[in-house]
Amino acid sequence: EAQVTQNPRYLITVTGKKLTVTCSQNMNHEYMSWYRQDPGLGLRQIYYSMNVEVTDKGDVPEGYKVSRKEKRNFPLILESPSPNQTSLYFCASTQGLSTEAFFGQGTRLTVV
Amino acid sequence: GENVEQHPSTLSVQEGDSAVIKCTYSDSASNYFPWYKQELGKGPQLIIDIRSNVGEKKDQRIAVTLNKTAKHFSLHITETQPEDSAVYFCAARSGNSGYALNFGKGTSLLVTP
Repeated sequence: EAQVTQNPRYLITVTGKKLTVTCSQNMNHEYMSWYRQDPGLGLRQIYYSMNVEVTDKGDVPEGYKVSRKEKRNFPLILESPSPNQTSLYFCASTQGLSTEAFFGQGTRLTVV
Repeated sequence: GENVEQHPSTLSVQEGDSAVIKCTYSDSASNYFPWYKQELGKGPQLIIDIRSNVGEKKDQRIAVTLNKTAKHFSLHITETQPEDSAVYFCAARSGNSGYALNFGKGTSLLVTP
């Protein structure tokens, strides 16, 4: 079954404690991206990757890092989380620029 | 960069009625316009998309229209059912911005029996 898998689904952490949210896709897609979803703001892109070792900033990259060492994985790293990064995060993958983006189930992050 | 505006933010219709959600975009180079449905606790799922060389596309009760001159596109749901209740997002992708999909802020649709 084609899918994008994120882990964990829920995470509560404290300010400043480094964390990683993993994302893996089994469709051999080239393009992967991370979004955050906040009430009233919709989905905003954090980072995206067009292929292995190729990443670029989206609209809200501050406070986040990503890496793309393998085609299937695209982890999101928060080196020093802050409360304003409390949000619902989605990973997505797509094969081409005009094809469907598949989203993961989401990771609800709370930073206290 | 691309700016996508979506209206209305909330929409309540009676079962069987039609629902229309409208979006405008700013970048004339945008060429791909998907619509996503997000149910509670789940990630967005594509329901229909349209490319810039097409003016209208229909899939059963769902249709999307695109007006490139006016830079707006709309989602039409006919014969609405309670299971259509969800948040709907429009998006646009510009050929000038690489891979980025720019989303509208979403429309919360409620279909009442």
